[in-house]
Amino acid sequence: EDQVTQSPEALRLQEGESSSLNCSYTVSGLRGLFWYRQDPGKGPEFLFTLYSAGEEKEKERLKATLTKKESFLHITAPKPEDSATYLCAGSSNTGKLIFGQGTTLQVKP
Amino acid sequence: GAGVSQSPRYKVAKRGQDVALRCDPISGHVSLFWYQQALGQGPEFLTYFQNEAQLDKSGLPSDRFFAERPEGSVSTLKIQRTQQEDSAVYLCASSLGRERYGYTFGSGTRLTVV
Repeated sequence: EDQVTQSPEALRLQEGESSSLNCSYTVSGLRGLFWYRQDPGKGPEFLFTLYSAGEEKEKERLKATLTKKESFLHITAPKPEDSATYLCAGSSNTGKLIFGQGTTLQVKP
Repeated sequence: GAGVSQSPRYKVAKRGQDVALRCDPISGHVSLFWYQQALGQGPEFLTYFQNEAQLDKSGLPSDRFFAERPEGSVSTLKIQRTQQEDSAVYLCASSLGRERYGYTFGSGTRLTVV
C-alpha cells in the first residue's frame, strides 16, 4: 500500500536555529516527490518537486533532498514567517498525490 | 483566472442535507483533482478528471459522493445526505498535465455538518 509518513508532527525552533523535516515514502511507481507549504485557512502552496534519488532543490532558506526511501526539507536560519505546515506528497503511477500528515513548524523570534 | 477558485469558502449543512461544492480551475488546465482534508491531517485523494473524463474515483468514500466536470473546465463535488463525518476541508487542484507541470491548489471549502 502506498504510504507517506512525515516526522516530526510538530517542531518549534528559535529564529536562526536550523533543522530538517523528514518524509519517508513507499509509493509504487513514484513519479515525483512534492513539498508544499500550507498556511492556516489556505490551500497547499507548491515548493519543490524532486524526481530522482540524489536530486536537490533550493529556494531561499529551504533545501529539499531525495533518496530512494526518504526526502528531507532542510530549513537554514529560519525566520518567523517560515512558520507553517509543511506537507510532503508522492505522485503515484496513476498521477494522484499521496500526502503525509504534515509537520507543523513554529519559529519563534 | 490567475489561480484555482473554490466556492463557497465555508458551508454549514444540517445532517441529511445535500451540498454542492464548486471548483474553477486555472484556464487551460486539463487535469483536475479533488482532495479531502480533515483537521490536522494531510489531504486525501478523492477523484481525478482529465478534461471531462473522470479517470479515477477510487478515493470517494461512499456513493453519497459524486463529482462531475461536464465541459472539461468547472467541476462540482456533490455530497448527498451529509453526515457529520463529512465535515472537512475540500480542496481542488488543477494541472496542465501531470506531475511534471505541478499542481495548483485552491483555498478549499470548509464544510461543517451539524
